[in-house]
Amino acid sequence: ETGVTQSPTHLIKTRGQQVTLRCSSQSGHNTVSWYQQALGQGPQFIFQYYREEENGRGNFPPRFSGLQFPNYSSELNVNALELDDSALYLCASSSWTGNYGYTFGSGTRLTVV
Amino acid sequence: GESVGLHLPTLSVQEGDNSIINCAYSNSASDYFIWYKQESGKGPQFIIDIRSNMDKRQGQRVTVLLNKTVKHLSLQIAATQPGDSAVYFCAETALNAGGTSYGKLTFGQGTILTVHP
Repeated sequence: ETGVTQSPTHLIKTRGQQVTLRCSSQSGHNTVSWYQQALGQGPQFIFQYYREEENGRGNFPPRFSGLQFPNYSSELNVNALELDDSALYLCASSSWTGNYGYTFGSGTRLTVV
Repeated sequence: GESVGLHLPTLSVQEGDNSIINCAYSNSASDYFIWYKQESGKGPQFIIDIRSNMDKRQGQRVTVLLNKTVKHLSLQIAATQPGDSAVYFCAETALNAGGTSYGKLTFGQGTILTVHP
């Protein structure tokens, strides 16, 4: 059974640029959620995808968007990057059919300069 | 808004001692709680979970206690080891309207556990 894989592991971008982060969900998991974790804070929910549609969203602006693909992998896109977007971005996969899931990847460390 | 919070930001213990990490939650609709361990540079790692119809659940060296009356959750680690040193987060969520799945996780700030040899 494979875990959740995220790429890239580290990324440096300039303010105003756009970034795409990728996530491969754990085998058997069909729901993907994205979280932003600022330094010294707990993860904050960005959104969740199920059956290729957004299925819940946290308090993040529209410049944060995502996609889920038929193989349940997912992308997080952030436009017009701001310095405050610097954080660890975590992907978590889970199963829609209940039980616990929420297996997290190791994250992508994004630095905006 | 609803939140999950921790009483102590840091906890320092000696190897072999038992550790207790506490968490308060405010969303009375939450019915599923999870403890995660996060080591530096890694994502949160599942430790143990508990549903709201239980008040205690045990795993290997870990026990989670849930007190719904006072909205309090705790994680007990027996015989703490240096490898247990990490940040520990509690998280809560609720079943969706159809009762078939869970939605977003709401995390607390985290407790830094340091285990001294």
